[in-house]
Amino acid sequence: GNSVTQMEGPVTLSEEAFLTINCTYTATGYPSLFWYVQYPGEGLQLLLKATKADDKGSNKGFEATYRKETTSFHLEKGSVQVSDSAVYFCARPQMDSSYKLIFGSGTRLLVRP
Amino acid sequence: DTGVSQDPRHKITKRGQNVTFRCDPISEHNRLYWYRQTLGQGPEFLTYFQNEAQLEKSRLLSDRFSAERPKGSFSTLEIQRTEQGDSAMYLCASSPSGGAGGYEQYFGPGTRLTVT
Repeated sequence: GNSVTQMEGPVTLSEEAFLTINCTYTATGYPSLFWYVQYPGEGLQLLLKATKADDKGSNKGFEATYRKETTSFHLEKGSVQVSDSAVYFCARPQMDSSYKLIFGSGTRLLVRP
Repeated sequence: DTGVSQDPRHKITKRGQNVTFRCDPISEHNRLYWYRQTLGQGPEFLTYFQNEAQLEKSRLLSDRFSAERPKGSFSTLEIQRTEQGDSAMYLCASSPSGGAGGYEQYFGPGTRLTVT
């Protein structure tokens, strides 16, 4: 089937620590992959994307590489800040005429000063 | 700011009342999506429009839910006879058709519905 699986949170880190949030997907073909971020009380913001295998998406110090061999799109950041505290969602479009997004369950990140 | 907007941001209603939410997409986007998000979960697809045509509805969308996009611009989502289980964040998103951007969607701030 078509699904996205993320590591469960919460993830609690100290400021300047290294972040990894795991995401794996199932799909036929090679859909685009996205990371969205949701700050408290707000909607989702597109953080980064990769549209084909081996692409690396990056934004605001976050990176994720589309790895078809492991069907993964793990989110990484070398040095997190308190302001990165949010919920992060991995997502992919369903590859039918709708292209509706299929989301993981989200991973809450809490960064302590 | 030309992003997706939603109104209201918060709605508290009593069980059995009707509510209507509005979404204004990015102006050049012809696809508009509605999602529902409950606490601790990712958004779940409800329905989508290509211009004014509603092309798909999820099984989550019971008969009490109706959505419209009359002129292919803004959209409304109405819930009739609200139930406590309808309490959630309702998110609207828009995207251009064609997939040049990889089918990414841009989200509004959401409408948080609380049914008491």
